[in-house]
Amino acid sequence: QKEVEQNSGPLSVPEGAIASLNCTYSDRGSQSFFWYRQYSGKSPELIMFIYSNGDKEDGRFTAQLNKASQYVSLLIRDSQPSDSATYLCAVGTYNQGGKLIFGQGTELSVKP
Amino acid sequence: DTEVTQTPKHLVMGMTNKKSLKCEQHMGHRAMYWYKQKAKKPPELMFVYSYEKLSINESVPSRFSPECPNSSLLNLHLHALQPEDSALYLCASSQKSGEDQPQHFGDGTRLSIL
Repeated sequence: QKEVEQNSGPLSVPEGAIASLNCTYSDRGSQSFFWYRQYSGKSPELIMFIYSNGDKEDGRFTAQLNKASQYVSLLIRDSQPSDSATYLCAVGTYNQGGKLIFGQGTELSVKP
Repeated sequence: DTEVTQTPKHLVMGMTNKKSLKCEQHMGHRAMYWYKQKAKKPPELMFVYSYEKLSINESVPSRFSPECPNSSLLNLHLHALQPEDSALYLCASSQKSGEDQPQHFGDGTRLSIL
């Protein structure tokens, strides 16, 4: 059974701090990794994706991938109250026709 | 605003009704998806269409019937639903189907079954 695991949280950080969200996956055949942000009552919004080991930066967001250890993380620098949301990690595996396996999501709360 | 448009935004229906959810994208994407999401849970894949052909059906009950009339449109026909089918129904699209394709979600239809 392919699994993607995230801490459900809530993860609480003060405004201006770095928020670190982690995700582990069980299938070594996994190729692609996506981070979605979902505000309460809204739909998921794609914020980052990463395919290769290492770091990928986009503004205040950095995705980190370590395939040997089977984890992917999302760092949010200078966290703002508007970053308060649930963050979903999704994993794509070769030859699954586009099916993504989602983690349960981590709820992030940024306190002013 | 998202580039995947879903209508209606809210739908309340009885268990004997027939209704349809609609999804439209104009990004030239050739893969479209239906997901169901319950509160505080991740999205669950229901169907995948690739080049207007159904490529994945995640053992969804027959009371849900998908249709892809053309490359821009995706419908989900609903009939004889149960109260447990109340959820947020999400449409997504990607350039093509594949594990490396970012999927973009619409705003969803919030469905309530009475």
